Amino acid sequence: AQSVTQLGSHVSVSEGALVLLRCNYSSSVPPYLFWYVQYPNQGLQLLLKYTSAATLVKGINGFEAEFKKSETSFHLTKPSAHMSDAAEYFCAVSSRGGGADGLTFGKGTHLIIQP
Amino acid sequence: DAGVIQSPRHEVTEMGQEVTLRCKPISGHDYLFWYRQTMMRGLELLIYFNNNVPIDDSGMPEDRFSAKMPNASFSTLKIQPSEPRDSAVYFCASRDSGSSYEQYFGPGTRLTVT
Repeated sequence: AQSVTQLGSHVSVSEGALVLLRCNYSSSVPPYLFWYVQYPNQGLQLLLKYTSAATLVKGINGFEAEFKKSETSFHLTKPSAHMSDAAEYFCAVSSRGGGADGLTFGKGTHLIIQP
Repeated sequence: DAGVIQSPRHEVTEMGQEVTLRCKPISGHDYLFWYRQTMMRGLELLIYFNNNVPIDDSGMPEDRFSAKMPNASFSTLKIQPSEPRDSAVYFCASRDSGSSYEQYFGPGTRLTVT
């Protein structure tokens, strides 16, 4: 079975500061990993994905994540937070590691940006 | 492309009533997924289809839930009878196996059962 743990249900940073959202996964097969963002009353939008190519993945809106197999982690970062980054962020792993099946999501991290 | 379309966006019903949620995937996508989001349990996969065939329904909570995909452009999720604990946001997502692993999510249906 796959699982995802997101450390910190709420993270607060100042505008312009580094954003770091933590994600650790458990998978019995090589995983495919994803970060999604959800704005209030909207669906989920893909930020970036790791599909066994480069371990440092760049996504939209200046976000990036690094896959570290030894640490079973896929943390999301952004060098400088913007007010528009305030949202809910979800880390997810594909069910069978092949990317073909449904996603298993973490509980989510609510990102708060302080002016 | 219009994206994944879900209807209705909001549904309020009384306990015991039948509820039908609808989804139109992105044209050409061969995978369709139904998820449920609640505060307590987060986002959960309920069922998914490949080429209109149900592949894994192990996430469907109980027999009151059923899903169908009669053709490549339409799917339904039905709850009969509905209960207050079914209140949640239900998302539909689709994916094209030929291009990328990204799942495209619809805006969701917010279901309230009173």
